[in-house]
Amino acid sequence: NAGVTQTPKFQVLKTGQSMTLQCAQDMNHNSMYWYRQDPGMGLRLIYYSASEGTTDKGEVPNGYNVSRLNKREFSLRLESAAPSQTSVYFCASRREDRNYGYTFGSGTRLTVV
Amino acid sequence: LAKTTQPISMDSYEGQEVNITCSHNNIATNDYITWYQQFPSQGPRFIIQGYKTKVTNEVASLFIPADRKSSTLSLPRVSLSDTAVYYCLVGNSGSARQLTFGSGTQLTVLP
Repeated sequence: NAGVTQTPKFQVLKTGQSMTLQCAQDMNHNSMYWYRQDPGMGLRLIYYSASEGTTDKGEVPNGYNVSRLNKREFSLRLESAAPSQTSVYFCASRREDRNYGYTFGSGTRLTVV
Repeated sequence: LAKTTQPISMDSYEGQEVNITCSHNNIATNDYITWYQQFPSQGPRFIIQGYKTKVTNEVASLFIPADRKSSTLSLPRVSLSDTAVYYCLVGNSGSARQLTFGSGTQLTVLP
């Protein structure tokens, strides 16, 4: 019963480097989300995917790209990392029935130097 | 999407009951109210969800007045381990869009 799995847990990048954050869920949820959380702030939505094959921008999409590889996997890519992207990144999936609760992964702590 | 307003922070002592109120004046007819809990270095965790009146589970109670323009999360006899950020979200399953997580309420339980 893994839920939402994110990799890696920690990452340090140099400015200009690229990387992909991986996310997978095993709950057969249609919707998946990427959030970032900066110190003392709430979660801000980067991108989401309502279903396999679709993606949409959230509140703060600039500097990121996403891929919904299949129903289980939703990856987030930083093409050219910037210090402003230093943050904790959370992936989540969501049920679509009456209890539409989110299930979150444990997060990826990214530092861009 | 309904906007929510919560206190930024609250302090309490161990063993006390804590009530955190959330305002959501423009809640829609088919919206539900959901509360999440977040510990440091972890993702938010679902606590409770309700539509009207009162809902209770093993962790908390949720009180929703008839006009549904606010809701109150009640945590009975808090312990130090209840120190966390609590988020109130309003929305419905019919929308595939995201819900907005505000800054939440930082609850600090003191010994």
